Amino acid sequence: DTAVSQTPKYLVTQMGNDKSIKCEQNLGHDTMYWYKQDSKKFLKIMFSYNNKELIINETVPNRFSPKSPDKAHLNLHINSLELGDSAVYFCASSRRDRDYGYTFGSGTRLTVV
Amino acid sequence: GQQLNQSPQSMFIQEGEDVSMNCTSSSIFNTWLWYKQDPGEGPVLLIALYKAGELTSNGRLTAQFGITRKDSFLNISASIPSDVGIYFCAGRSNSARQLTFGSGTQLTVLP
Repeated sequence: DTAVSQTPKYLVTQMGNDKSIKCEQNLGHDTMYWYKQDSKKFLKIMFSYNNKELIINETVPNRFSPKSPDKAHLNLHINSLELGDSAVYFCASSRRDRDYGYTFGSGTRLTVV
Repeated sequence: GQQLNQSPQSMFIQEGEDVSMNCTSSSIFNTWLWYKQDPGEGPVLLIALYKAGELTSNGRLTAQFGITRKDSFLNISASIPSDVGIYFCAGRSNSARQLTFGSGTQLTVLP
């Protein structure tokens, strides 16, 4: 069983489109995260939810909107996609807020053309 | 915000050689972590360090939490081809809620 699963694995779309990435964890963790990995492999936190409550919202364009319907799911919706949004997006989870044992998904490679 | 400097950025080594990489932070951390990312996958936790001076091993990997609490290093002994990947340090200070990741060390092991 995959602990943190993201879909889709690859996403190619045109500028201006709206797209969503889904994430689910079956670890019973309370906290979930979205990280963005750029072309230089730098990992940057975007959002964090603890028990469906938004607790971290870094400087991310408001075209990005996370949604957590329950503590096992954290989806990322992106409006009006831009070329600069091309990156690998990782979902992760941890047992609780401020816990260090992050479990990552395998990533979603988003390419905006 | 917190900043982590990780070095080297990349390494090319022969199979069987030992490897060392390190991270330094601009602030005091209370936890240091080391992750490995294989191509097409997410980072996987290798070692977690919770106390200054702590030295922890995981197989051929050894990591230390620096005494100043502003640095950490990771050693890999007798490297093998499957050690190839990107190694990330990560840490958190008391004032931060989330982990900060270093910029990664790309390791290539030549046969």
